[in-house]
Amino acid sequence: DTAVSQTPKYLVTQMGNDKSIKCEQNLGHDTMYWYKQDSKKFLKIMFSYNNKELIINETVPNRFSPKSPDKAHLNLHINSLELGDSAVYFCASSQGYTYSNQPQHFGDGTRLSIL
Amino acid sequence: AQKITQTQPGMFVQEKEAVTLDCTYDTSDPSYGLFWYKQPSSGEMIFLIYQGSYDQQNATEGRYSLNFQKARKSANLVISASQLGDSAMYFCATFPKDTGRRALTFGSGTRLQVQP
Repeated sequence: DTAVSQTPKYLVTQMGNDKSIKCEQNLGHDTMYWYKQDSKKFLKIMFSYNNKELIINETVPNRFSPKSPDKAHLNLHINSLELGDSAVYFCASSQGYTYSNQPQHFGDGTRLSIL
Repeated sequence: AQKITQTQPGMFVQEKEAVTLDCTYDTSDPSYGLFWYKQPSSGEMIFLIYQGSYDQQNATEGRYSLNFQKARKSANLVISASQLGDSAMYFCATFPKDTGRRALTFGSGTRLQVQP
């Protein structure tokens, strides 16, 4: 009964490959996010979707493409992986995009390592 | 634009003692939310406590309380009666209520180590 689940938990791959990370939430939330945590533990927003609509698209290389087939899912596809993409990627969700008192619930993260 | 500053990269506390983790923020939003998250060594992000900028009282959740001083733009987390399981990274974050980027802006975190 995991609230926000991400797969895979670990992803080790070669430079230049294409990979996807999947995220699903069963909380009934209408907003989902992707955050990146770098090696220094700094967390930064990448994308945000509200009701399947892209709301936030930070300065992220266009090799990163999010896709939200429905409100409960937000996947992240990464093309032509580079060494600098190594990080932990967190999916999160929250209810009510306009109400900031709702905490964001995070998945357990996907640790991406580029060889 | 929003900015969160956590000036303590690392903190030590004895078990059963209280500890305060500092957080200052800078935001141009008229109303906003402040959050604290805990990240244990296992990596997950756990929501701890929330404070709204117009809330009259400081937030409390069990052993966690938030010392919110709006004029000073600070939202320090107080953990009472520390336990070994409190050893983790702690992140302060803000979220605008009305305008701007509706995503969490995080500080750099404080690594807390609870010693027996």
